[in-house]
Formats: sequence, C-alpha cells, structure tokens
Amino acid sequence: KNEVEQSPQNLTAQEGEFITINCSYSVGISALHWLQQHPGGGIVSLFMLSSGKKKHGRLIATINIQEKHSSLHITASHPRDSAVYICAVHGGATNKLIFGTGTLLAVQP
Amino acid sequence: DGGITQSPKYLFRKEGQNVTLSCEQNLNHDAMYWYRQDPGQGLRLIYYSQIVNDFQKGDIAEGYSVSREKKESFPLTVTSAQKNPTAFYLCASSIMTQETQYFGPGTRLLVL
Repeated sequence: KNEVEQSPQNLTAQEGEFITINCSYSVGISALHWLQQHPGGGIVSLFMLSSGKKKHGRLIATINIQEKHSSLHITASHPRDSAVYICAVHGGATNKLIFGTGTLLAVQP
Repeated sequence: DGGITQSPKYLFRKEGQNVTLSCEQNLNHDAMYWYRQDPGQGLRLIYYSQIVNDFQKGDIAEGYSVSREKKESFPLTVTSAQKNPTAFYLCASSIMTQETQYFGPGTRLLVL
C-alpha cells in the first residue's frame, strides 16, 4: 500500500463545476503539498500546509491532521484547470517528500 | 527571471551510453533534487543535495550519479548500469530541505 493515496485517479468535469480531489496518507508528516503538473510536464507548487486551510484564487486546500487527510477544491472549474494534481507529504522516517500518483483532471467546456 | 532550467527537453541515447542531464537554478537555493517519473507512479527521489559538495542517495540511486560543484548546478548522469533509464526526469530546488520545492520543466529521456 502506498504511503500517499489519492482519489479519484481520473476525474472529468464540466466547466463551472466544483471539484474535490482527496489525499490520504499513512505516515507522520511535517507538511503536505499540492502540486499541479500540466501536459508539458512542468510542475508548479500550489500549496504547502501543515494545518487548517489555505485559499488562492479559486483553489482551496484543507488538511485534517488527526484523520491524515487533505482535500484540494477547485471552485468554478475551467478548462485551463485541466492537469494532473499531485499530493506530496514531508514525512516518514526520512522526512523527504513522498508523492501520490496524481489525479488526472479534465474540465470540458 | 529566477527559476530552474533543465536541458534538453528531449534526449535520445543508445543503450549502453552514459548521458548527463543538466539542471541549473538561479534562485540561490541550497537544496537541489532529482526525481524520476514513470507512468502511473509517483515521483521517486534519485539523489538530493543540501549544500555544495555534498549529496545523498534517494530511493532509487542505483545506476545514477550526481555532482554539486556549484550552488547553481546539479547535473545527473544516467549510467549504462541503469537497467530501465527511459523516463521523465525532474529537477527541483528549495531554500532548505522541508521547504517548498520549485521544479524545472523536466527532461524526457528515451534510450533506444
């Protein structure tokens, strides 16, 4: 079993829909990251959080340390949000980044 | 503009040849990382460096080598000992380990 699990693996939404991507982890962590990878391959860091909630534009990230769970929400989704969203945690025995396998999001116009 | 550059974007090599992937950053970051990405798998750490002239093996270091002679540069050599080198390679840097990592655009290596 992977130490970081994401769901769903694939998600198709219509433009304007509210989207939620989930991340569960099984190790102790110091921080959790949400990353975005576009089709060209480049990765952008969206959030780093260790508690509570962060918001940036239409993106909201929450984390529940007790339940070892984080969610990434996208409000009023747009086709340009289509990308792979990756959850990663700083944790485990080495405290290095451990990555989930990503959620492929496609937003259709 | 500050950032991380990787070159080339695509690289083709014959089996048995060593190949070196470039990674340069002008963010003045101390820590640098090399990751490998394969379809259906999360990124896996190959090597990382916390400071100049020092580096540590990651989870999948076998068949790879690195150097960190300058703060700005962290080249990765894929040697002929790497059994399955075809993959997407990403370089990243951060102010310190455990801080937000900034990623380069990646190099797609295809070994024929």
